[in-house]
Parts: sequence; C-alpha cells; structure tokens
Amino acid sequence: DAKTTQPPSMDCAEGRAANLPCNHSTISGNEYVYWYRQIHSQGPQYIIHGLKNNETNEMASLIITEDRKSSTLILPHATLRDTAVYYCIVHSGAGSYQLTFGKGTKLSVIP
Amino acid sequence: NAGVTQTPKFQVLKTGQSMTLQCAQDMNHEYMSWYRQDPGMGLRLIHYSVGAGITDQGEVPNGYNVSRSTTEDFPLRLLSAAPSQTSVYFCASSYGQTFSDGYTFGSGTRLTVV
Repeated sequence: DAKTTQPPSMDCAEGRAANLPCNHSTISGNEYVYWYRQIHSQGPQYIIHGLKNNETNEMASLIITEDRKSSTLILPHATLRDTAVYYCIVHSGAGSYQLTFGKGTKLSVIP
Repeated sequence: NAGVTQTPKFQVLKTGQSMTLQCAQDMNHEYMSWYRQDPGMGLRLIHYSVGAGITDQGEVPNGYNVSRSTTEDFPLRLLSAAPSQTSVYFCASSYGQTFSDGYTFGSGTRLTVV
C-alpha cells in the first residue's frame, strides 16, 4: 500500500469546517483512500473512503485531487466531540488485508 | 447491539503467564483481525483471518496465536507474556475483501505485563 503524509496536529474552532489534508503521491490506480479517526482510548472509527470521485456521507466529505496524489477530509461543522486523531490510509482491498496506520493528525476542536 | 465485543477491557499479567483475549462479532463478517497500539504509534497488525478455519500472520505475529473455529469468534492467545507485549489490543472485522463498508473496531483490551 502507498504511504501517506499528514500534518501531526491541527486546531479548528468549534462550528467551523475542519479540513484535514493527506498526501499520497505514490498511490496506484486500484488503491482507495480511507479515513478513520480514533477518539481518545477508543477503537478507530471508519469515516469515509473514495477512489476517484469526491464522496460525502453523514459524517464528512472527502475531496480527492484529479491526479489522486492528495486528498482532504472535511468535517463541515466541527464539534468538541470531533477532537481525535485522524488517519488517512491508502489501501487496495483485494488480496491485501493490512491497513497501515501511520501517526495521523491530532485534531483539536477549540471552543 | 451489533458490533465487535472485546473482553476483558483491562488485564494485568505477570511475565510468563498466558491468557486469551476474546473477540466476537455479530455482523456475519468474514474478515477479522487483531492490532496492537503502543503509545504514540499507529496500529500494527498481529494476525488476521479471512474466514472460519483460515488465519494468517500480520506485521508483528511473534508471541501470539490465533484460531478461527467460528465466523463470530477470533481469540488472541498470548503464549508466555512479556513486558514488550504491554499494549492496547484492538480487534476489527469487515464484511469482505473490498472493505467497502470499512472496518469495525472493538473498544480495546488494555494489557499490562509486569
């Protein structure tokens, strides 16, 4: 699986949009971009994933650049409960069962 | 409630003791796995299973055994606990290879080996 690069930490004001970037310049054509988050001491939680097109669900939006070398996770209205470590993972799925978790981005939502 | 259930939540072992960490899911997921998370680090895969009767090693398998006799259960056995196995252990499951629904993780087992 391709490696990812994320900033170690970010702050966001409560109620504002949180934009979390991820670089994955070596991504290959069959690899998806996944986002998970881990709230303190809990198990990671799946947020969203995408291949080429932008995706949106009830939790977040995922914007993938046209060349697929980077992506941005958007939390449209951050709340204090969104304070967590966010992991960007590139994974092909078929035939490869390991999700490679890096150190992620520690997002702090500030009142 | 549907999900991944891990027991116990906390455990303290003495060096050399053995124990089994339990993991059960009620979502009929084919794929199950065990990760460990050490302070300040990401999760590392220990063992995984793609279905009942099938298991394989992940990134850090030494000192651990697994079996998958049923779809629902995937226990992790520590054969002879060592202080280096002090960690938080997470079990995860997924419907299939494409992971289109993402992984569902348990709440973790916090293990201390003294």
